[in-house]
Amino acid sequence: AIQLTQSPSSLSASVGDRVTITCRASQGISSALAWYQQKPGKVPKFLIYDASTLESGVPSRFSGSGSGTDFTLTISNVQPEDFAIYYCQQFNRYLLYSFGQGTKLEIK
Amino acid sequence: EVQLLESGGGLAQPGGSLRLSCAASGFTFSSYAMAWVRQAPGKGLEWVSAITDNGGGAYYADSVKGRFTISRDTPRNTLYQQMNGLRAEDTAIYYCARLRWYANAFYFDYWGQGTLVTVSS
Repeated sequence: AIQLTQSPSSLSASVGDRVTITCRASQGISSALAWYQQKPGKVPKFLIYDASTLESGVPSRFSGSGSGTDFTLTISNVQPEDFAIYYCQQFNRYLLYSFGQGTKLEIK
Repeated sequence: EVQLLESGGGLAQPGGSLRLSCAASGFTFSSYAMAWVRQAPGKGLEWVSAITDNGGGAYYADSVKGRFTISRDTPRNTLYQQMNGLRAEDTAIYYCARLRWYANAFYFDYWGQGTLVTVSS
């Protein structure tokens, strides 16, 4: 089974910082990776797909990169509304879908 | 505007059954694959099941295979999940999600508000 491991599990940042979250797949998945943001008590929000394509309406301070097994989500100039939990998600034709365990971005 | 509205959650006993529904609007339901994703209290996201746009294919996570059945009613624009043999570990918020196909992969682009399923005696 393809597993996704996110790091770190949590991190603290100040408004205006640049933060990077990593997602590592246990097998190569080409660029079939997405990122979601979930705020407390809210529904997950679709941010990025195909590893680096920004969903319509998502601020340009969010960016994604990577392919194969190593992927990153970067938030430049973190804003107060960005403090949330971030999940990566992969798709493959055999075991379909899985999510990373999540990374909690907290205010320093 | 895409809207997904789940219903059918509640309290069930271990070994019991529940049927979840998801009413879809704001898009051509028959053109999209759909899925259920769950989130146990205080935990992360777990994909549960998915169904193709025409209903011809259904896929399940190992944790629910043989117990849950996903289906869809295109004229009613409604997605279902029949859950049998419920276990305490099935306790979670269940989200209905639309699947977007892009570059040979599916992604969950719209999510409903979720319905809570609690399995307890």
